Amino acid sequence: DTAVSQTPKYLVTQMGNDKSIKCEQNLGHDTMYWYKQDSKKFLKIMFSYNNKELIINETVPNRFSPKSPDKAHLNLHINSLELGDSAVYFCASSQVMRETQYFGPGTRLTVL
Amino acid sequence: DQQVKQNSPSLSVQEGRISILNCDYTNSMFDYFLWYKKYPAEGPTFLISISSIKDKNEDGRFTVFLNKSAKHLSLHIVPSQPGDSAVYFCAAEITGTASKLTFGTGTRLQVTL
Repeated sequence: DTAVSQTPKYLVTQMGNDKSIKCEQNLGHDTMYWYKQDSKKFLKIMFSYNNKELIINETVPNRFSPKSPDKAHLNLHINSLELGDSAVYFCASSQVMRETQYFGPGTRLTVL
Repeated sequence: DQQVKQNSPSLSVQEGRISILNCDYTNSMFDYFLWYKKYPAEGPTFLISISSIKDKNEDGRFTVFLNKSAKHLSLHIVPSQPGDSAVYFCAAEITGTASKLTFGTGTRLQVTL
């Protein structure tokens, strides 16, 4: 039983394309997140949603647009992909005001 | 501006010995600290946490120590086992606000036989 799942696991695409990464959690959590881990291994938060409402947006280019159709899903859509977008993207979830976040397995995005 | 720092990118320890992983932070507003463990091609998994009102928290082989005056925390693993080989991330948070973890860059622990 996967608590936080992401698809796809690997994504290779050309510069300029638009792509989406999907995330689902079956933990009943109210809050979901997207993190980016770059080539230097920094793991940085991008977005946080609570009950489908955006609560954190960390200076991320507006080419990145998260979408939360319901509490259990938080998808990440990226327009006009650039080389610098190549990274591993992690989805996570937690209860509101609870500190422990549970992470998905990551999606390795490679932009050529 | 890296508010959470793990200055040792790697650590090698013999099986059965103690592993000590260190973490420093600069933001005095942080009041909750966590350690995550990450295997290759997997997401980080929660290991242990500590609130700023405590200076020690123990869970089996894992103990986290917090020194608020020094803005330093450490994770002790004893005895170390080969399955502990992974990357360990320290993270910090200001509770009561929107949950936002700030991570260190990780320390790769290798437990040798």
